[in-house]
Amino acid sequence: KQEVTQIPAALSVPEGENLVLNCSFTDSAIYNLQWFRQDPGKGLTSLLLIQSSQREQTSGRLNASLDKSSGRSTLYIAASQPGDSATYLCAVRGGSQGNLIFGKGTKLSVKP
Amino acid sequence: KAGVTQTPRYLIKTRGQQVTLSCSPISGHRSVSWYQQTPGQGLQFLFEYFSETQRNKGNFPGRFSGRQFSNSRSEMNVSTLELGDSALYLCASSSQGDTDTQYFGPGTRLTVL
Repeated sequence: KQEVTQIPAALSVPEGENLVLNCSFTDSAIYNLQWFRQDPGKGLTSLLLIQSSQREQTSGRLNASLDKSSGRSTLYIAASQPGDSATYLCAVRGGSQGNLIFGKGTKLSVKP
Repeated sequence: KAGVTQTPRYLIKTRGQQVTLSCSPISGHRSVSWYQQTPGQGLQFLFEYFSETQRNKGNFPGRFSGRQFSNSRSEMNVSTLELGDSALYLCASSSQGDTDTQYFGPGTRLTVL
């Protein structure tokens, strides 16, 4: 059974700092991995999608990497801003199941 | 292009009642998935519909059901509500489902009293 873990559960950093959020999964047989952002009481906003054949994806200040063999993904946020404060969720789409399996998220707070 | 819409945004029901939630996917998307989000369990998959057929189902009791219409709009129904059904219910759409980006709606906040 696929399990997704995100460490740390919460992170507080000063504005301008570069940071890395971690995601690990137990079954390497995935179709893709997706990073989302969720603001309090809101839905999820898709940030990056990495297909199983890819190693990384970039969008603006965000860079996500995928290492299937080790069951890990990282989300790198450059030059963090207070507007980046949110919960970041990692989700994998498994082989036989086909649905997204989510981690519990990392709650990020960027202090001005 | 309009995003995923969900109605209603908020609902308050009492135990034993039933509820129907609605989701309109992004135009052209044929896959609609439903998720339940609670503080304790996080996001859990309910079911996925593709071209009016249920393609995948999560581990929820039969009180939770859904359907998809020919225009790809989807509804989910919860019968005999329990206190533990209080949650944020999120709908996601994608064009094909298995490899594409999932786009989520704002959710329906259900409170069961």
